[in-house]
Amino acid sequence: GQNIDQPTEMTATEGAIVQINCTYQTSGFNGLFWYQQHAGEAPTFLSYNVLDGLEEKGRFSSFLSRSKGYSYLLLKELQMKDSASYLCAVSDSNYQLIWGAGTKLIIKP
Amino acid sequence: NAGVTQTPKFRVLKTGQSMTLLCAQDMNHEYMYWYRQDPGMGLRLIHYSVGEGTTAKGEVPDGYNVSRLKKQNFLLGLESAAPSQTSVYFCATQVGDPNEQFFGPGTRLTVL
Repeated sequence: GQNIDQPTEMTATEGAIVQINCTYQTSGFNGLFWYQQHAGEAPTFLSYNVLDGLEEKGRFSSFLSRSKGYSYLLLKELQMKDSASYLCAVSDSNYQLIWGAGTKLIIKP
Repeated sequence: NAGVTQTPKFRVLKTGQSMTLLCAQDMNHEYMYWYRQDPGMGLRLIHYSVGEGTTAKGEVPDGYNVSRLKKQNFLLGLESAAPSQTSVYFCATQVGDPNEQFFGPGTRLTVL
């Protein structure tokens, strides 16, 4: 079967750094996406990785290791507005997105 | 430029009633998707379309039907609503494979 695993909830402090992990087992791989979803709102795109390595975009970075079936999203200089759920999704062999259940990130002052 | 819109935003149905959710996009994207999101679970694909006049089943299609008569609209129908269909429904569009998806604001549906 296809499976995406990520922690249910994480807590971090404003101004700190947090790493959200995602492991996956899918039939085929055409890239991994990270989305942010604030409570009561729609998911919005953060990043896309298809090759191994680190992609940096401002305060957010995303890493991929295809051989390990592993990715992480790194958030630096945390702000209160970063309190949200972070969704990991993998594009499988049919280009269908398989979604993780999301990691709820709580930022404390 | 509205992006992706969904109608209605909220709805309460009684068991056995039917309804249609409308998704409209002005981005000229070929691909459109209907997902449901339930607490503690990832987004699950109901049906999708890769172009005008085409539809296909996703992971959880039972109890739902769809139509894509016009490129900009994707309709999701519930034939006979059941309490298990209480959920938040999201429509999304995509320009091609693989690519980011753009989501509508969601429809919160409660079936009593």
